[in-house]
Amino acid sequence: AQKVTQAQTEISVVEKEDVTLDCVYETRDTTYYLFWYKQPPSGELVFLIRRNSFDEQNEISGRYSWNFQKSTSSFNFTITASQVVDSAVYFCALSPHGSGNTGKLIFGQGTTLQVKP
Amino acid sequence: KAGVTQTPRYLIKTRGQQVTLSCSPISGHRSVSWYQQTPGQGLQFLFEYFSETQRNKGNFPGRFSGRQFSNSRSEMNVSTLELGDSALYLCASTITEPGTPIYEQYFGPGTRLTVT
Repeated sequence: AQKVTQAQTEISVVEKEDVTLDCVYETRDTTYYLFWYKQPPSGELVFLIRRNSFDEQNEISGRYSWNFQKSTSSFNFTITASQVVDSAVYFCALSPHGSGNTGKLIFGQGTTLQVKP
Repeated sequence: KAGVTQTPRYLIKTRGQQVTLSCSPISGHRSVSWYQQTPGQGLQFLFEYFSETQRNKGNFPGRFSGRQFSNSRSEMNVSTLELGDSALYLCASTITEPGTPIYEQYFGPGTRLTVT
């Protein structure tokens, strides 16, 4: 089975707090890709990061950082010093690399992040 | 480069009618995927087109269909609309091609379909 689980439905923090969004995935494929997307109230999904299954190096981009651990099938996303503009729904997605999976992203249910001033 | 565009942005239809949604991918992207987003089911994959051919299909009834043109623009059609088809329909394009790694998909703003 191929599945993405985002156990946190909603998170509320106060501005400047750090927050971590959890993502756990399931796949039997050895080659796969993981993504994070942000969906602000406007509705358009915005790409944040892509990671392949052979690259477990963590990544930092400004206030954003991602922790990929194959041993626990997790790909968590941390926002440092959150801001009100970070308020959105965040989706983790999986794309196994196989001929039967072309063009398909498997999304988690999303985590709604509310950052209060 | 211009992003993915979708038309129309909003649509209200009546049960039993049919609807056609349009998507123009980012220039140079030949793969177009469609997704349905609802509060209950979340984001679900409908189908993917590459070079005018449907290469992958999700678990949706045959009332949902699509096509892709030679310029990579894509349309999806829903026939005999049901109330449950009310959703945000998102189109995404990517540079991923056969034999290449999987790259990120870029999404359009979506078409909000309301079926009454």
